[in-house]
Amino acid sequence: EIVLTQSPATLSLSPGERATLSCRASQSVSIYLAWYQQKPGQAPRLLIYDASNRANDIPARFSGSGSGTDFTLTISSLQPEDFAFYYCQLRTNWPPYTFGQGTKLEIK
Amino acid sequence: EVQLLESGGGLVQPGGSLRLSCAGSGYTFSSYAMSWVRQAPGKGLEWVSGISVSGEKTYYAESVKGRFTISRDNSKNTLFLQMSSLRVEDTAIYYCAKDLIGHSSSWYYLDYWGQGMLVTVSS
Repeated sequence: EIVLTQSPATLSLSPGERATLSCRASQSVSIYLAWYQQKPGQAPRLLIYDASNRANDIPARFSGSGSGTDFTLTISSLQPEDFAFYYCQLRTNWPPYTFGQGTKLEIK
Repeated sequence: EVQLLESGGGLVQPGGSLRLSCAGSGYTFSSYAMSWVRQAPGKGLEWVSGISVSGEKTYYAESVKGRFTISRDNSKNTLFLQMSSLRVEDTAIYYCAKDLIGHSSSWYYLDYWGQGMLVTVSS
């Protein structure tokens, strides 16, 4: 079973700064990776799928990159509403959805 | 607008049972695989169970296999999760979610989620 490891566990930045979040897979997963944002008390929201495709209505400041084992979610200029938890998710045959442990993006 | 509305959560004693429902609207419910994902307090996301478009194929995480049963009623646009032999460690918020791609036997990503339903297992 493939394991996803996200880093850092916590990222402290200020509004307007650039955020770079990492997700590493224990073996190659091609481009089959997604990113989700979750705010306290809310359900997760799909941001990026297939490593670099933005989901519907996701602002252009969110971008994804990577392939194989190393993936990155970049937020070009942090807005106050971007401070949240972020999870990566692997698309595989089994189990259907595997999630990373999450990164907390907090205001510095 | 796609909406998933969950119901049925609550407090139950260890060993007890509970059934969650998830009503879908704003899309062709019968064309998409569906799943349940849970999140224990202060923890990350864990996929629990999934069901194919027709409902013929069901899948479970090892942690719930033999205790949980997923089903769907496409005529009523509703997904269910019957939970039995509940344990303290099943305490979590349970989300229903739809897959991104319709008319497929593969799993992709989860593009819409319900608001979540808290299940608390405690004596």
